[in-house]
Amino acid sequence: AQSVAQPEDQVNVAEGNPLTVKCTYSVSGNPYLFWYVQYPNRGLQFLLKYITGDNLVKGSYGFEAEFNKSQTSFHLKKPSALVSDSALYFCAVDTGGFKTIFGAGTRLFVKA
Amino acid sequence: DVKVTQSSRYLVKRTGEKVFLECVQDMDHENMFWYRQDPGLGLRLIYFSYDVKMKEKGDIPEGYSVSREKKERFSLILESASTNQTSMYLCASRSIGSYEQYFGPGTRLTVT
Repeated sequence: AQSVAQPEDQVNVAEGNPLTVKCTYSVSGNPYLFWYVQYPNRGLQFLLKYITGDNLVKGSYGFEAEFNKSQTSFHLKKPSALVSDSALYFCAVDTGGFKTIFGAGTRLFVKA
Repeated sequence: DVKVTQSSRYLVKRTGEKVFLECVQDMDHENMFWYRQDPGLGLRLIYFSYDVKMKEKGDIPEGYSVSREKKERFSLILESASTNQTSMYLCASRSIGSYEQYFGPGTRLTVT
């Protein structure tokens, strides 16, 4: 079965430190990979995507993610965390059809 | 600026009531989606529509139906609300040829 795993329910990081939110996937074929962010009482916002090409993709708000085909991972990173980055982050995978598979979400908490 | 709106932010209904959730997008997107979001489960697809009057079941369609009479509007209907349908409902839209989805702010439905 196709799936997306976000192994950490919560990630805690101090402001100014680098952050990583992990995502691994199990899908057949070539996946399209996404990160979305959800701020309190809001819908999801698109952050970045990998479709093809360079394994390192850059997105909104200084976030980037690295596609690793051999490890089937797509970890979200940011060199220097801000308190305002505190939110719920979702990794998602699309195999080119209409169904997108979402991970369970990781809550990022950035402490000042 | 892209915009997806949902008819209500918060809704409280009684068991057995018929419930309508409406979603409108102003981006002329062909594809529209309804998800429910539950803690620890991520987003699960209820129904999607790839064009006007066209609809397909997602992963958890039981107890729900949808309607898409106009391109910009996608409605989710709970025929007879039950307490296990208490959840956050998110609508999204997407353009053909694009992969990222644009989400509305969500409707938090409580069924008592």
